[in-house]
Amino acid sequence: GNSVTQMEGPVTLSEEAFLTINCTYTATGYPSLFWYVQYPGEGLQLLLKATKADDKGSNKGFEATYRKETTSFHLEKGSVQVSDSAVYFCALTPTDSWGKLQFGAGTQVVVTP
Amino acid sequence: GAVVSQHPSRVICKSGTSVKIECRSLDFQATTMFWYRQFPKQSLMLMATSNEGSKATYEQGVEKDKFLINHASLTLSTLTVTSAHPEDSSFYICSATVQDRANYGYTFGSGTRLTVV
Repeated sequence: GNSVTQMEGPVTLSEEAFLTINCTYTATGYPSLFWYVQYPGEGLQLLLKATKADDKGSNKGFEATYRKETTSFHLEKGSVQVSDSAVYFCALTPTDSWGKLQFGAGTQVVVTP
Repeated sequence: GAVVSQHPSRVICKSGTSVKIECRSLDFQATTMFWYRQFPKQSLMLMATSNEGSKATYEQGVEKDKFLINHASLTLSTLTVTSAHPEDSSFYICSATVQDRANYGYTFGSGTRLTVV
């Protein structure tokens, strides 16, 4: 079946540090891949997405590249801010079940001043 | 952009009562809505897929008689937790989409924190 694996948290960083959150997936065909962010007590917000191999999604300084050869979609940001403290979810939607998101476990990121 | 409104944001109810949660797409018509449940510090688990005008499709292990879903219009889906018990306490999140993945993707509501006492 389909699955998403992402690195466990919490990840604690100092402000302006480089952030990487690893995400790998298992799926048949060519799924679409997403990163969502959840701030405390809130719902999920789409951070970025990629729908085909080698696509790069980017938003608010975050980037992730769809790597089919390594089945990965790692999230990166060059210089984090305290306001980036949140839980980040990697997710996919399979090509044969459009709309049903499969989420990873989530990675909590804590950025300290 | 696409906005999904979920109400209420928090609700506390007594054991044995029913609670209704609403999910509305404010500026687009959502042919499909999804309901998720999230336990503390855990990921989201899909409960059911709701299509306008038809019965919801429930994921394995989700009691359809306990979690009633109605999608009566293209802008509103409701989740009713019937005869709630403390183990139903959780964070419930809805997501709405249209069959045009290039435009809207999946827009989430802000979630409902249900506490059953």
